[in-house]
Amino acid sequence: RKEVEQDPGPFNVPEGATVAFNCTYSNSASQSFFWYRQDCRKEPKLLMSVYSSGNEDGRFTAQLNRASQYISLLIRDSKLSDSATYLCVGARGGAGSYQLTFGKGTKLSVIP
Amino acid sequence: DVKVTQSSRYLVKRTGEKVFLECVQDMDHENMFWYRQDPGLGLRLIYFSYDVKMKEKGDIPEGYSVSREKKERFSLILESASTNQTSMYLCASRRSGTSMGEQFFGPGTRLTVL
Repeated sequence: RKEVEQDPGPFNVPEGATVAFNCTYSNSASQSFFWYRQDCRKEPKLLMSVYSSGNEDGRFTAQLNRASQYISLLIRDSKLSDSATYLCVGARGGAGSYQLTFGKGTKLSVIP
Repeated sequence: DVKVTQSSRYLVKRTGEKVFLECVQDMDHENMFWYRQDPGLGLRLIYFSYDVKMKEKGDIPEGYSVSREKKERFSLILESASTNQTSMYLCASRRSGTSMGEQFFGPGTRLTVL
């Protein structure tokens, strides 16, 4: 089982909609989790960290449930500029040397 | 702003050639990484280096080697390129002591092996 798994989509939603992405991880994975965003033909960029207590950054909310090994990203009031692939990422390692394990990504298209 | 640059955006090589992919970062980051990204497989870690002269195998190191002689530069070497190494190659860097998840990526090199 791959360490980090997510629904590839695509998710096609109208502007203004709320959309949620889910991700699951295996026991052997990671200590911390993140969401990255990758625009078409561009490099991935860190979107936000994910905490058990939940964290919010504007229209984006991320949540980690360690008991269920489940990570989520909620986007409220979707904008056209939110169209991208969202990558669920686990981090493992220590002593200054961390590795990231990327999910395959969920593609979001926000439609006018 | 952190800047990670890669030597080429597009590269075409022939089977059996030795290929060098270069990555340079300008923010004095200790950690550097090489990934490949393929449709349906996502990003996979090939090698990483947590400091100068250090290197560690990632998840798919076979067929690749790396070199980190200077802090700012991390090279990926394909000793004898094969068609299954056709891919998008992404380099990333990270400053030690910062969020473990925060890596800064270069724009990628799309390598085609004929």
